[in-house]
Amino acid sequence: SQQGEEDPQALSIQEGENATMNCSYKTSINNLQWYRQNSGRGLVHLILIRSNEREKHSGRLRVTLDTSKKSSSLLITASRAADTASYFCAMNYGGSQGNLIFGKGTKLSVKP
Amino acid sequence: SQTIHQWPATLVQPVGSPLSLECTVEGTSNPNLYWYRQAAGRGLQLLFYSVGIGQISSEVPQNLSASRPQDRQFILSSKKLLLSDSGFYLCAWSRQGGNTGELFFGEGSRLTVL
Repeated sequence: SQQGEEDPQALSIQEGENATMNCSYKTSINNLQWYRQNSGRGLVHLILIRSNEREKHSGRLRVTLDTSKKSSSLLITASRAADTASYFCAMNYGGSQGNLIFGKGTKLSVKP
Repeated sequence: SQTIHQWPATLVQPVGSPLSLECTVEGTSNPNLYWYRQAAGRGLQLLFYSVGIGQISSEVPQNLSASRPQDRQFILSSKKLLLSDSGFYLCAWSRQGGNTGELFFGEGSRLTVL
């Protein structure tokens, strides 16, 4: 299976702390993407990192990619209660449709 | 700007009844369209994708079917629902020809089969 694995499955932190979520995958990718899902809602794209990139920033988000270890991490700095959500990594293995394979997600809870 | 609409948001259906979930995209042409299912506490499973009108690819054998009667309309159907069809169904689109695969999701349809 090409499905990715995130860890931890659940993470609970206090507001102001940093949250780190990890994702591992199995075969070479074109790019890796992170999505956020609020409870009972659709997914929202957060950030994309290409296979030839090692780090990318967007606001309070920092994503790293280590292709030698086939892993990625998402760091949310100075977390807020509004960051409470599930976070999914998704691997783009290429192909004409560019289909994404999603991991099972990390459920983040940020307590005020 | 592009928008994606998915309905109904919630439905409860008896086993053996038919199903129709509809998804439409506005503000773009010739998108790739996708149906995903999300079981509780799980990741997303790709059910169907379409690169054009009448072109449907199925990722997993199942009790469901998909159709794309118009460029920006994607329908998920079943003739007879099973208990195992319960779940959260998400429609999504991506830009045709782009290789990034970035997806834009609808708000989802929660199906409970009793």
